[in-house]
Amino acid sequence: EDQVTQSPEALRLQEGESSSLNCSYTVSGLRGLFWYRQDPGKGPEFLFTLYSAGEEKEKERLKATLTKKESFLHITAPKPEDSATYLCAVSGYSTLTFGKGTMLLVSP
Amino acid sequence: DTGVSQDPRHKITKRGQNVTFRCDPISEHNRLYWYRQTLGQGPEFLTYFQNEAQLEKSRLLSDRFSAERPKGSFSTLEIQRTEQGDSAMYLCASSGGALPYEQYFGPGTRLTVT
Repeated sequence: EDQVTQSPEALRLQEGESSSLNCSYTVSGLRGLFWYRQDPGKGPEFLFTLYSAGEEKEKERLKATLTKKESFLHITAPKPEDSATYLCAVSGYSTLTFGKGTMLLVSP
Repeated sequence: DTGVSQDPRHKITKRGQNVTFRCDPISEHNRLYWYRQTLGQGPEFLTYFQNEAQLEKSRLLSDRFSAERPKGSFSTLEIQRTEQGDSAMYLCASSGGALPYEQYFGPGTRLTVT
C-alpha cells in the first residue's frame, strides 16, 4: 500500500526565513511525486511534478527535489502570501495518495 | 482554458436525504477523479473514470455512493441516505493528454450533514 508522510505538521516562519518541508514516501512503481498548495476552503493547486530521483523543479520562491525515498520543498525568503497548506502526493498506478500536509504560516 | 468546475460549492442537508454533486473537467482531459477531504487530512481517493468507464473504486466508497460519467464529459457523485460522517469536502480532479498523471483539482463541494 502506498504511503506518504509529511513533516513537520505545522511550520511558522518569519518573512525572509528560508526552510524546507519533507515528504517521505513508499510506493510500488512511482509514476510521479506531486506537490500541491491548498488555501483554506479551496481545492489543491498544482505546483510541481517530479518523476525520478535527482530531479529538481523551481517556481518563484519554491524548489522541489526528489530522492528515492523522500522529497523536499525548499522555500527561499518566504512572504506572507506563501502561507498555506502544502500537500505531497504520489502516483502509483492511476490515483494519488496524499500526505496530511504541512501547514505553513509566514509572519511579516 | 477553463479549469475544473464543481457545483454546488456548498451543500447543507439533513441526515437521510440524498445529495448529488456535479463536476466539469478540463475539456481535453479524459480522466476524472473524485476525492474526499476532511479537516486536517489530505484528500482520499474515492473513484476514477477514464472516458465514460469507471475503472477503480476505493473501499471508502460504500454502497450509498454512486458516480457516473455519461458520454465521458461531466461527472456526478450521488450520496444516498446521508449520514453525519459524510460531512467533508468533495473534490474533483481531471488529467489527460501528454501528462496523464498530473491531476488538476476543482474548488470542491463542502457538504454539511445535520
